[in-house]
Amino acid sequence: GEDVEQSLFLSVREGDSSVINCTYTDSSSTYLYWYKQEPGAGLQLLTYIFSNMDMKQDQRLTVLLNKKDKHLSLRIADTQTGDSAIYFCAEGDKIIFGKGTRLHILP
Amino acid sequence: GAVVSQHPSRVICKSGTSVKIECRSLDFQATTMFWYRQFPKQSLMLMATSNEGSKATYEQGVEKDKFLINHASLTLSTLTVTSAHPEDSSFYICSAQLAATYNEQFFGPGTRLTVL
Repeated sequence: GEDVEQSLFLSVREGDSSVINCTYTDSSSTYLYWYKQEPGAGLQLLTYIFSNMDMKQDQRLTVLLNKKDKHLSLRIADTQTGDSAIYFCAEGDKIIFGKGTRLHILP
Repeated sequence: GAVVSQHPSRVICKSGTSVKIECRSLDFQATTMFWYRQFPKQSLMLMATSNEGSKATYEQGVEKDKFLINHASLTLSTLTVTSAHPEDSSFYICSAQLAATYNEQFFGPGTRLTVL
């Protein structure tokens, strides 16, 4: 079945880059997504990538997709305190979510 | 962007009662809505896919008689937790899907259900 795996925690110093990794199983997914959930809030779509793309850049966000290895990553450049949140990787038309990576920003 | 609302935002009920949660797409029509459940510090678990005018499709392990879903219009889906028990206490989130190029889902703010 479909499964999405990601590490649970990541600590990064303010100003550094954050890289959140994710692996997925459904190779037929047309789109892959990154969602952000801030404390006490709902989910917000951060960015997405079409499955025939290798990379997508959107301001401070860079998404890399390795279809062969079924590996997706999200890089946040110049990480700020406002980036503290849980980041969910998701795949598929039904949006199967990973468990989320909690990003903690160190001063 | 598109807005999805949920009502109520919080509900506390006694064990054995039923609770209805509404999910509305405010400024767009959604042929498909999804219901998720989120346990504390855990990911979202897809419960069911709701298509307007047809029966919902439930994920494996989700009791369809326990979690009744109705999608009577293009802007409203409801989830009724029947005969609620403390283990049903959770954060329930709905999303509405736009049939856009990347099938973006817009999430509601969630409903926190506490069953005493």
